[in-house]
Amino acid sequence: GENVEQHPSTLSVQEGDSAVIKCTYSDSASNYFPWYKQELGKRPQLIIDIRSNVGEKKDQRIAVTLNKTAKHFSLHITETQPEDSAVYFCAAGGGYNKLIFGAGTRLAVHP
Amino acid sequence: ETGVTQTPRHLVMGMTNKKSLKCEQHLGHNAMYWYKQSAKKPLELMFVYSLEERVENNSVPSRFSPECPNSSHLFLHLHTLQPEDSALYLCASSQEPGGETQYFGPGTRLLVL
Repeated sequence: GENVEQHPSTLSVQEGDSAVIKCTYSDSASNYFPWYKQELGKRPQLIIDIRSNVGEKKDQRIAVTLNKTAKHFSLHITETQPEDSAVYFCAAGGGYNKLIFGAGTRLAVHP
Repeated sequence: ETGVTQTPRHLVMGMTNKKSLKCEQHLGHNAMYWYKQSAKKPLELMFVYSLEERVENNSVPSRFSPECPNSSHLFLHLHTLQPEDSALYLCASSQEPGGETQYFGPGTRLLVL
């Protein structure tokens, strides 16, 4: 069945460092890859997304890359700040009536 | 933040109670979803509705019963729940089901005693 694997499950960085979270997907029909940020006690919110006709997308300090051949995509956060601390979820969609979510990465940015 | 709303925000119920969770979206979307989020677990998709028709049921126990009377409203009826059903229940909506951005509600935190 369809599956999205996300690594690492936890990530701890110093303020100002970069953070990278990686996901792989199994369904070759997937064509939409969003990333969500969920702060403690809050709802998941979309921070960036990419479609399969694009290899990279950037929005200020965050960027996402997609390798369709290898079926993996990554989130890159540069110059991390304490407010970046949250759980990040990747997802893949397009092949079915739903998004398939990864298990999440808990990012801690230490001042 | 007001695109998808959920009530109640918190709910405590006994195992013999019957309660309902409500979700409303003000985005003009055609698809709505129920997710369960337990501590230290990934988002678990429960149900998907497209234009008020259920298109996905992820092997959810019958003690959870969804209802979608129109494309703006989604309910989750609960009865004879178990303590392990305690979790955050999130509603989401998207323009169409599948490869589209989903917008989440704030969730209902449920505690089953």
